[in-house]
Amino acid sequence: DVKVTQSSRYLVKRTGEKVFLECVQDMDHENMFWYRQDPGLGLRLIYFSYDVKMKEKGDIPEGYSVSREKKERFSLILESASTNQTSMYLCASSNLPSLGGREKLFFGSGTQLSVL
Amino acid sequence: DAKTTQPTSMDCAEGRAANLPCNHSTISGNEYVYWYRQIHSQGPQYIIHGLKNNETNEMASLIITEDRKSSTLILPHATLRDTAVYYCIVRVALRYGKLTFGQGTILTVHP
Repeated sequence: DVKVTQSSRYLVKRTGEKVFLECVQDMDHENMFWYRQDPGLGLRLIYFSYDVKMKEKGDIPEGYSVSREKKERFSLILESASTNQTSMYLCASSNLPSLGGREKLFFGSGTQLSVL
Repeated sequence: DAKTTQPTSMDCAEGRAANLPCNHSTISGNEYVYWYRQIHSQGPQYIIHGLKNNETNEMASLIITEDRKSSTLILPHATLRDTAVYYCIVRVALRYGKLTFGQGTILTVHP
């Protein structure tokens, strides 16, 4: 089975700190994604990447950046953490779509980030 | 991507079939219906998807109406482990696999 591993399950950071959330997938997937999930707001896409060194903004990229230096690793960076970035962060990866829309997203278990 | 409407919550008895509806009346011809679920404290998990025809896999069945304006996810013999939030998503099969998740249906399976 595909495994998407997020480096931390829980993180507590201070306002203004630079925060790195790491995600690694082991299935040679082309696409990788970062979502955040908040009560009442569902999952919202922050950034995604369809190739090494490539990135695209999602729906809520403000305050975040990403890095994809290797195919298997996708990092989410909070340059200066703020309290409104307290959230559950979910990483996902997917294969290239074939005819028939058969691509699937595989998610990690999430990182619960608290910014104090 | 087409908007979807799902009930906020549903209950089901263990061992019975769970039928989760989804309305997507504005779906266009090239949009697929995807179902994911999220068990508490885990990331979402792919269940099934379809375009026009009904689909079945080891987890569930997907029934899409002939006009494609609605669909039903069926868990044939629900277990307590099926308690989760179920998301119905409709979108074009794009290269980058971007999915937009709505609020979903909270399914509670009772003993």
